[in-house]
Amino acid sequence: QQPVQSPQAVILREGEDAVINCSSSKALYSVHWYRQKHGEAPVFLMILLKGGEQKGHDKISASFNEKKQQSSLYLTASQLSYSGTYFCGTERGAGNNRKLIWGLGTSLAVNP
Amino acid sequence: DAGITQSPRHKVTETGTPVTLRCHQTENHRYMYWYRQDPGHGLRLIHYSYGVKDTDKGEVSDGYSVSRSKTEDFLLTLESATSSQTSVYFCAIRLGTDYGYTFGSGTRLTVV
Repeated sequence: QQPVQSPQAVILREGEDAVINCSSSKALYSVHWYRQKHGEAPVFLMILLKGGEQKGHDKISASFNEKKQQSSLYLTASQLSYSGTYFCGTERGAGNNRKLIWGLGTSLAVNP
Repeated sequence: DAGITQSPRHKVTETGTPVTLRCHQTENHRYMYWYRQDPGHGLRLIHYSYGVKDTDKGEVSDGYSVSRSKTEDFLLTLESATSSQTSVYFCAIRLGTDYGYTFGSGTRLTVV
């Protein structure tokens, strides 16, 4: 039930764009995106809810295809600070039992 | 930062000893979570709480117990530490199930 992220790793030059994908085999309530830098805690980027609502950074964009249970994170005009590991998390279930299942991450390196 | 602190930040303990990790929040968020992060496994949920004295198991709860007697504190106890519990432990909070998670800085636990 763990979501599958692709690609596993990306190397960019500053200013280039990237797309990170997250897919699940199960019907989802929401998809989360986080970025983690080495030795630090994950940082929340965005949540995409069933029904179309999104909450998160205004400089980050993402999509959620509810029919295909897929989400994509779009990183445009990348900066050096975008480097890190990006995790998606998917939620199913209802109410208090709604829990996040994490993907294994996509490593992103942005070089000058 | 962000109203959530974990203590201790680092701990080395011997096999067979009990260990308690503390998570403290000043955000008055209802939901609190304990995760462990290991290479190749990503983040895995140990236990979570949806209110004072309301807790439930996650996917890797064996060998762990939790308590939440106050909104602001969520304690994770390793009843008898084993080497397989060497990991980085993260606490997280969220305002509600339609919101993202805020993580503490983590506790690096080594069981020798």
